[in-house]
Amino acid sequence: ETGVTQSPTHLIKTRGQQVTLRCSSQSGHNTVSWYQQALGQGPQFIFQYYREEENGRGNFPPRFSGLQFPNYSSELNVNALELDDSALYLCASSSGDRRDYGYTFGSGTRLTVV
Amino acid sequence: KQEVTQIPAALSVPEGENLVLNCSFTDSAIYNLQWFRQDPGKGLTSLLLIQSSQREQTSGRLNASLDKSSGRSTLYIAASQPGDSATYLCAVRSSEGYSTLTFGKGTMLLVSP
Repeated sequence: ETGVTQSPTHLIKTRGQQVTLRCSSQSGHNTVSWYQQALGQGPQFIFQYYREEENGRGNFPPRFSGLQFPNYSSELNVNALELDDSALYLCASSSGDRRDYGYTFGSGTRLTVV
Repeated sequence: KQEVTQIPAALSVPEGENLVLNCSFTDSAIYNLQWFRQDPGKGLTSLLLIQSSQREQTSGRLNASLDKSSGRSTLYIAASQPGDSATYLCAVRSSEGYSTLTFGKGTMLLVSP
């Protein structure tokens, strides 16, 4: 069984640019969630996709957007990057049909905005 | 709104000690609770998953308990080792709303040889 994989591992962008982060969910999982983790903080929920539809969103502005594909992989897009967007972005997958499942996380993408 | 608190924020112990990490949450409407380990700059590794109907789970030297009604969980680590040094995060999966995870800020553990 494959785990959750994220790409790229590290990224440096300039303020105002746009970025796309990618995530492949664990085999058998149909739900993908994205989290932002600032230094010294717990992960904060950005949004979640279930069977290609967004079914939950945290307190993040619309310039954070996403997609889920038929194979349940996902993308996180951030437009008009700001310095405060510098963080570790984590992707997690689970089963939306089995709420007793836990979440499996990827290794994250470290985004630095300069 | 679910809030998760972890105490202590940091802990430093000598090798061999048994230790307890605490997690509390404000809303008992949960499906389950997960404990994760995070090494510096890395992703999250799931340690234990406790369903809302369970009282505890064990894996090796780790034991996690859950008291849903009082909104508390503890992670017990027996005979700590330097390799246990990491940040430990507690997260609850809500049974209302979006059913996503809400995290605490974590406990940073340092086990010295």
